[in-house]
Amino acid sequence: DADVTQTPRNRITKTGKRIMLECSQTKGHDRMYWYRQDPGLGLRLIYYSFDVKDINKGEISDGYSVSRQAQAKFSLSLESAIPNQTALYFCATGDSLTGNEQFFGPGTRLTVL
Amino acid sequence: AQSVTQLDSHVSVSEGTPVLLRCNYSSSYSPSLFWYVQHPNKGLQLLLKYTSAATLVKGINGFEAEFKKSETSFHLTKPSAHMSDAAEYFCVVLLGSSASKIIFGSGTRLSIRP
Repeated sequence: DADVTQTPRNRITKTGKRIMLECSQTKGHDRMYWYRQDPGLGLRLIYYSFDVKDINKGEISDGYSVSRQAQAKFSLSLESAIPNQTALYFCATGDSLTGNEQFFGPGTRLTVL
Repeated sequence: AQSVTQLDSHVSVSEGTPVLLRCNYSSSYSPSLFWYVQHPNKGLQLLLKYTSAATLVKGINGFEAEFKKSETSFHLTKPSAHMSDAAEYFCVVLLGSSASKIIFGSGTRLSIRP
C-alpha cells in the first residue's frame, strides 16, 4: 500500500552497526507501529505510538529504539545490530477515530551478518 | 493467558474447493478479531474484522468468518478457492483499545492445487 512507505526495502549490515529503518504515511493516522516477522512466529510488536508525544514498548523492545518525528513519520533504530535481529520488519498505521484496523507498509528485509 | 492459535501451519486445497483456516483464541475479555492476508513479498492486507457486531463477518475476495464465543473460535472460510488465494493468512486478536494487547497468530500458509 503506497500510503505507508518503508525505507530501505532491503538492508544487509554487520554486527555492531547502527541501523535506522524509516516509515512514512500519508493516511493522516495518529497511531503507528513497528513489528518484526520471523518464520513460524507471526508478527511481534516492537514499539507503538498513539501520537507524536506518545511512545510505548511492545512485546520485544529490547535492542530497539524509536522516534516519532512527526505524525507521519516513525523510525526504528537498532543501536548495535546483532544477527538474531535478522528479520522482516513492518510498519503499520491506525486511526483511533475509525477503529482498530491497521494498515501495513511493504516491509523491510534486514539481514545482520 | 491471552493468546491466539492457528491450528494449521499449512493448508492445501484444490482450486474450486472450499477453504477452512482455523483460529482459536484465549481471552478474558471480549476481543476484536481480524484476519489478514500476506501475499509473497507484500505487506499485510485486512481481509475482515469482528468487533462485537454480527457474528458472521464477510470480508473481501469472498472470504468470511464466524465468531463463536462458546468455542472461542474465529475460523476463516471461502466456498471456492482461487489460485490467487495462495498466500499466508494471519489471525489477530486485539484486546481492549491498547495496542500492547495485539496478538498475531503464527500464520497459515494456503496453497492452491490446479
